[in-house]
Amino acid sequence: SQQGEEDPQALSIQEGENATMNCSYKTSINNLQWYRQNSGRGLVHLILIRSNEREKHSGRLRVTLDTSKKSSSLLITASRAADTASYFCATANNNDMRFGAGTRLTVKP
Amino acid sequence: DAGVIQSPRHEVTEMGQEVTLRCKPISGHDYLFWYRQTMMRGLELLIYFNNNVPIDDSGMPEDRFSAKMPNASFSTLKIQPSEPRDSAVYFCASSFYPNYGYTFGSGTRLTVV
Repeated sequence: SQQGEEDPQALSIQEGENATMNCSYKTSINNLQWYRQNSGRGLVHLILIRSNEREKHSGRLRVTLDTSKKSSSLLITASRAADTASYFCATANNNDMRFGAGTRLTVKP
Repeated sequence: DAGVIQSPRHEVTEMGQEVTLRCKPISGHDYLFWYRQTMMRGLELLIYFNNNVPIDDSGMPEDRFSAKMPNASFSTLKIQPSEPRDSAVYFCASSFYPNYGYTFGSGTRLTVV
């Protein structure tokens, strides 16, 4: 069963724009991770943020975590057509990791 | 490393038939996970192994589903008998730790007609 809820469900932007996706969850977590899934492929791990961290960067990715609000955001800066994919947040607590339903991002060239 | 390898990529079978999905995890990864993905239910964890031992199979939907990991480099997920509602994409993933950075295979798209 899912725990994370991504918002929006779908997002369409122009190449070069920034894309922001949000994830809300319900229970306490050890860490939160973001994954990308291209059509017809498996999920690819992008970035992990621990529960005691508030912000993390990796290349064009920026992730924030607010444990008081039980929410996280993924920002992709200067988007490219190749960023078109579904993005999932996954919450980890003890040995249990649950994935959200995902945000479908379309970047138009 | 070639990553997590799953076979077959696509499987079409008739209702009632036995289906076996295969997975080779990344060498050195002690954890192996089987997930099922559908539009309606998203990604569901079916079962996971640690050092070849099944740890949590609470996500296995019914007795028709079974999974084995006879050694560190091979796992199977079997459905017997298969039903149309089993149609989904089945993913295998592996990792060093249970909650950190899973590596997913490309999945097996199962269609039961």
